[in-house]
Amino acid sequence: SQQGEEDPQALSIQEGENATMNCSYKTSINNLQWYRQNSGRGLVHLILIRSNEREKHSGRLRVTLDTSKKSSSLLITASRAADTASYFCATGARGAGNMLTFGGGTRLMVKP
Amino acid sequence: EAGVAQSPRYKIIEKRQSVAFWCNPISGHATLYWYQQILGQGPKLLIQFQNNGVVDDSQLPKDRFSAERLKGVDSTLKIQPAKLEDSAVYLCASGAGAHQETQYFGPGTRLLVL
Repeated sequence: SQQGEEDPQALSIQEGENATMNCSYKTSINNLQWYRQNSGRGLVHLILIRSNEREKHSGRLRVTLDTSKKSSSLLITASRAADTASYFCATGARGAGNMLTFGGGTRLMVKP
Repeated sequence: EAGVAQSPRYKIIEKRQSVAFWCNPISGHATLYWYQQILGQGPKLLIQFQNNGVVDDSQLPKDRFSAERLKGVDSTLKIQPAKLEDSAVYLCASGAGAHQETQYFGPGTRLLVL
């Protein structure tokens, strides 16, 4: 079963707008990561936030983590058509190898 | 730096046939993962190796799936015999960093079972 659940499942916006995706999970985590997947290709790591962090930025990406609510959000500002992809949150467990459990993903379409 | 390599990229087989996938991780990465991604879903971990040892294979259907990483570098994942529901993309990833938290994914092998 998948630990994370993304919301919404699909999102369509205009270029220049901001996109917000949410992720909820069920058990205690060591870290939470966001990955992007373009159609028919492998996943690319975007950003990692640890369980003792609340917010993190990377370029146009902003991630928040609320461990009390077991939820995270990914904000993409000033979206571009090239941001069109599926976005997955993945929770990392403690212990050797940091096993990841992925959610079902949010499919983002950015219209030019 | 070369990324994670996988082959083949695509494979079409009939049910009950066998198939094998190959993965070469990023040089020096001790941890290797195999995921199954069914269309429209997120990746599901099948097996995790640390060097040539298995860390977790709790979600690997062992009656038909097997995987090995004999020399602790490249790995093969085999399905025998394949079922229709095995149609998916099989992703290989390797772990980097002091705590191996970030995973680097290969392009995947898209399997269609007819």
